[in-house]
Amino acid sequence: QKEVEQDPGPLSVPEGAIVSLNCTYSNSAFQYFMWYRQYSRKGPELLMYTYSSGNKEDGRFTAQVDKSSKYISLFIRDSQPSDSATYLCAMLSGGSNYKLTFGKGTLLTVNP
Amino acid sequence: GAVVSQHPSRVICKSGTSVKIECRSLDFQATTMFWYRQFPKQSLMLMATSNEGSKATYEQGVEKDKFLINHASLTLSTLTVTSAHPEDSSFYICSAPGQSYNEQFFGPGTRLTVL
Repeated sequence: QKEVEQDPGPLSVPEGAIVSLNCTYSNSAFQYFMWYRQYSRKGPELLMYTYSSGNKEDGRFTAQVDKSSKYISLFIRDSQPSDSATYLCAMLSGGSNYKLTFGKGTLLTVNP
Repeated sequence: GAVVSQHPSRVICKSGTSVKIECRSLDFQATTMFWYRQFPKQSLMLMATSNEGSKATYEQGVEKDKFLINHASLTLSTLTVTSAHPEDSSFYICSAPGQSYNEQFFGPGTRLTVL
């Protein structure tokens, strides 16, 4: 079993839709949870991070963590064509090694 | 946020040659940098942790003699792919952590194609 599982999609939605992206994980040591956005042929860009169970909102984006279920989600409201990208979840255990474990990424296309 | 640059952005080389990729932190110092490899439609796989002034730490399955890492200064790490083969063709991305765990800044990546 991989440490982080993420459905690679692809996911195609109409503009304005609410998008739900999800990851599950098996390593209980993960304490920090991040979502990155990666445009084609570019490096990942940090969107959101959280370290506790619950919701965190930033504009149209909401990150949700459920540590008891080992499940994290990213919701995008009022999706825009510019949101079309690959979304990667990433996780970090405690300590000082900074080593991220990534999901496979979900390719999202928002159609105008 | 902090900026990490990579050079070159794209390189094509012949099989058997060596290729050097640079990763620079432009406005901050990084004692640690990370090198990832990403195959098409796959996630980022950590190859190694580059440590300024000491040897790099390689992940299991990554050949340290093939992927040479040098972290000579607090703002520069280099990855040299030695005797490159077509199966080394990939997208190589570096990153550097910021001041807290959740901050990790990625470079734009280098696309390597080995003919």
